[in-house]
Amino acid sequence: GAVVSQHPSRVICKSGTSVKIECRSLDFQATTMFWYRQFPKQSLMLMATSNEGSKATYEQGVEKDKFLINHASLTLSTLTVTSAHPEDSSFYICSARGSQGPGELFFGEGSRLTVL
Amino acid sequence: AQKVTQAQTEISVVEKEDVTLDCVYETRDTTYYLFWYKQPPSGELVFLIRRNSFDEQNEISGRYSWNFQKSTSSFNFTITASQVVDSAVYFCASFYGGATNKLIFGTGTLLAVQP
Repeated sequence: GAVVSQHPSRVICKSGTSVKIECRSLDFQATTMFWYRQFPKQSLMLMATSNEGSKATYEQGVEKDKFLINHASLTLSTLTVTSAHPEDSSFYICSARGSQGPGELFFGEGSRLTVL
Repeated sequence: AQKVTQAQTEISVVEKEDVTLDCVYETRDTTYYLFWYKQPPSGELVFLIRRNSFDEQNEISGRYSWNFQKSTSSFNFTITASQVVDSAVYFCASFYGGATNKLIFGTGTLLAVQP
């Protein structure tokens, strides 16, 4: 089946630094990618939807300048957490939409961010 | 509004018991997709099933079965003869296409299977 790879799987950074998380569709072209955030023992909350070559659409309450999303190619979307703070520590998961239909969705392995 | 409700926060069963996880969705769309995912402690989401809104046929896959009822907007998941390895958080989700174009997750049900 289709594979979506996220990197890094774990990252620890100091407060104030920026962290970039990559999401790649390895064997298919993903015109749409979704970014989710999951706090411990909570559900996955959609942060933004990114379409290749255009600006991301952010969900209400998500800071655009804080969470920069770039979808420069059909196989790569990146999420950059800028000036990270401890409250940004979370599990971030990306999802890529395949070409077989609107319900064809594949998830990355997730990236656990810890901000000290 | 689009919404997915999993009323059961936590369920604990003893191995070999059957267990049903409930999922109720809300939508005005006629076309949508319903999913179940398993999330073990490692965090990675494991895809279990996808159903589109036009296919109400129930499905069985080994010890897993799903009951899709449009009349009650429910998509329940049953594990037969549960095993310790089934312990995980299970999420029901619904994808709405068109202008919505997003996958919305329920709050999840933590299933603990005791030996």
